[in-house]
Amino acid sequence: GAGVSQSPSNKVTEKGKDVELRCDPISGHTALYWYRQRLGQGLEFLIYFQGNSAPDKSGLPSDRFSAERTGESVSTLTIQRTQQEDSAVYLCASSLVVDEQYFGPGTRLTVT
Amino acid sequence: QKEVEQDPGPLSVPEGAIVSLNCTYSNSAFQYFMWYRQYSRKGPELLMYTYSSGNKEDGRFTAQVDKSSKYISLFIRDSQPSDSATYLCAIKRGSGGSNYKLTFGKGTLLTVNP
Repeated sequence: GAGVSQSPSNKVTEKGKDVELRCDPISGHTALYWYRQRLGQGLEFLIYFQGNSAPDKSGLPSDRFSAERTGESVSTLTIQRTQQEDSAVYLCASSLVVDEQYFGPGTRLTVT
Repeated sequence: QKEVEQDPGPLSVPEGAIVSLNCTYSNSAFQYFMWYRQYSRKGPELLMYTYSSGNKEDGRFTAQVDKSSKYISLFIRDSQPSDSATYLCAIKRGSGGSNYKLTFGKGTLLTVNP
């Protein structure tokens, strides 16, 4: 079946611009996660959505980062006024149970 | 001290070798242990998942957990060139708050040479 999909696969933007990253989770998965993977670093948790519960935003690194999810479907991660340190791969995962998270291919963001 | 430590390698072995990948963690609240494989420019793929001390085997892969030492390992038998990837350990808390957050090691880059 279809896995987690993310778009765009690559994004190059100028410093100071806003970007929006999209995640389509596996159908029926109630939980959705965003992670960031910087070069040479492990994945960092950013945000967690579970059904209609309030999201856990504790991993968002600054108020320039925000994310939304409509019900149990698509999620968007928005980064405002991008900085060079935002350059990373942004990974989305979804799960039916928290123990098994399935990852998308990621969006590679480069801020010039 | 980082919550999870993993030697980034790189690790290069000949085809057929037994590979040992390891992580240590610092907090005994972590009760669930995963190994992910990540090919270049792809998302991580769940390989193994365990929550108890001891060994769990799946084909050529064996995950080992020693909670007393806070040490986890992944062994790959009869390694193949297709096993060449970055291997990430991940841990999470048991029941209770934030038990959905995975804490990852930095990953070990493995190359299996034909």
